[in-house]
Amino acid sequence: QKEVEQDPGPLSVPEGAIVSLNCTYSNSAFQYFMWYRQYSRKGPELLMYTYSSGNKEDGRFTAQVDKSSKYISLFIRDSQPSDSATYLCAQNNQGGKLIFGQGTELSVKP
Amino acid sequence: KAGVTQTPRYLIKTRGQQVTLSCSPISGHRSVSWYQQTPGQGLQFLFEYFSETQRNKGNFPGRFSGRQFSNSRSEMNVSTLELGDSALYLCASSLGSPQETQYFGPGTRLLVL
Repeated sequence: QKEVEQDPGPLSVPEGAIVSLNCTYSNSAFQYFMWYRQYSRKGPELLMYTYSSGNKEDGRFTAQVDKSSKYISLFIRDSQPSDSATYLCAQNNQGGKLIFGQGTELSVKP
Repeated sequence: KAGVTQTPRYLIKTRGQQVTLSCSPISGHRSVSWYQQTPGQGLQFLFEYFSETQRNKGNFPGRFSGRQFSNSRSEMNVSTLELGDSALYLCASSLGSPQETQYFGPGTRLLVL
């Protein structure tokens, strides 16, 4: 079993839709959770960073961590074609080592 | 503040050769981590350097090695290249504390023929 599981998609939604992206993880020691966005042929860029459980909101993006079920989510409201990218969840439990999910490819159609 | 830079951006090598990739972190960042990204395995951690010392290591063979210089710039080397080493190699820098955010460079795309 991988430490972080993420549905690779692809996920296709119409412009304006609410997008829900999800990951599950197996190691309850994970404390720090991140979402990165990666456009084609680019490096990942940090979207959201959360510590422990709870919600964090930044503009159209909301990150949610449920440590009891080992489940993390990213919600995108009013999705735009420019949101089309691969979204990667990651956990940091050991200093400079991030453990990534497989990434979900999202396409937002105008 | 300038972001993480990586050189070269693209590289083509043949099996058996070796390659050296370079990474310049964000100014003030002391930790540099390297990752390999492939369509099949996703993003996998190679190793992390902090203050010129390897602090963490992933599950890659000894053909993969790295180092960090006193100015925090880092290089990674892959010897005796195999076809399966074709990948996007990403480096990320951070201030160095365990909870610090990592910022990624654009990557070096390596193709092994």
